[in-house]
Amino acid sequence: ETGVTQTPRHLVMGMTNKKSLKCEQHLGHNAMYWYKQSAKKPLELMFVYSLEERVENNSVPSRFSPECPNSSHLFLHLHTLQPEDSALYLCASSPGQGTYYGYTFGSGTRLTVV
Amino acid sequence: SQQGEEDPQALSIQEGENATMNCSYKTSINNLQWYRQNSGRGLVHLILIRSNEREKHSGRLRVTLDTSKKSSSLLITASRAADTASYFCATNTDKLIFGTGTRLQVFP
Repeated sequence: ETGVTQTPRHLVMGMTNKKSLKCEQHLGHNAMYWYKQSAKKPLELMFVYSLEERVENNSVPSRFSPECPNSSHLFLHLHTLQPEDSALYLCASSPGQGTYYGYTFGSGTRLTVV
Repeated sequence: SQQGEEDPQALSIQEGENATMNCSYKTSINNLQWYRQNSGRGLVHLILIRSNEREKHSGRLRVTLDTSKKSSSLLITASRAADTASYFCATNTDKLIFGTGTRLQVFP
């Protein structure tokens, strides 16, 4: 375990479903991130939160909705997804925003949209 | 937008051999980081090298950075089957941007 826990590990959902991905860290980090990893593509940064405030939203479709209720928890709410949204969704955290530190990643949620 | 690009895309070696992976990037950086990913799992931070450093070691890992050429290399010495994984470089301005990675296969 890295200290960043993601649930569920696997998720299969229909295009009309609503589901949520959860990420939890107890490392005392102040920044949290969502990345999407699709086959044969670089990791895509989706959202950045620093001290519970969203500081970056990389033109992600509105069917993905993040939520950061406190510095230890990060959610990604999903609704009316498309098959091309099937991917590995990775959560990461770092001591502060910015890249002077290494990021700690969770094991990811493997999402399949059918 | 992709910042780091790893080369080669795939590498197969025998146990005991050294593995070298390269990374090129486009813009000025504060530091460059290398990560490892076992199949279908999360990424693990291996090493961070700052822009004013030229070489860094961590166990069997050796990283070099040439800011004039905007390139970095990761050397794994005396490789083991357990080193089989994908390796990514990640560069930053204000956020980490990853490349597509090098898939390393180490045969026993």
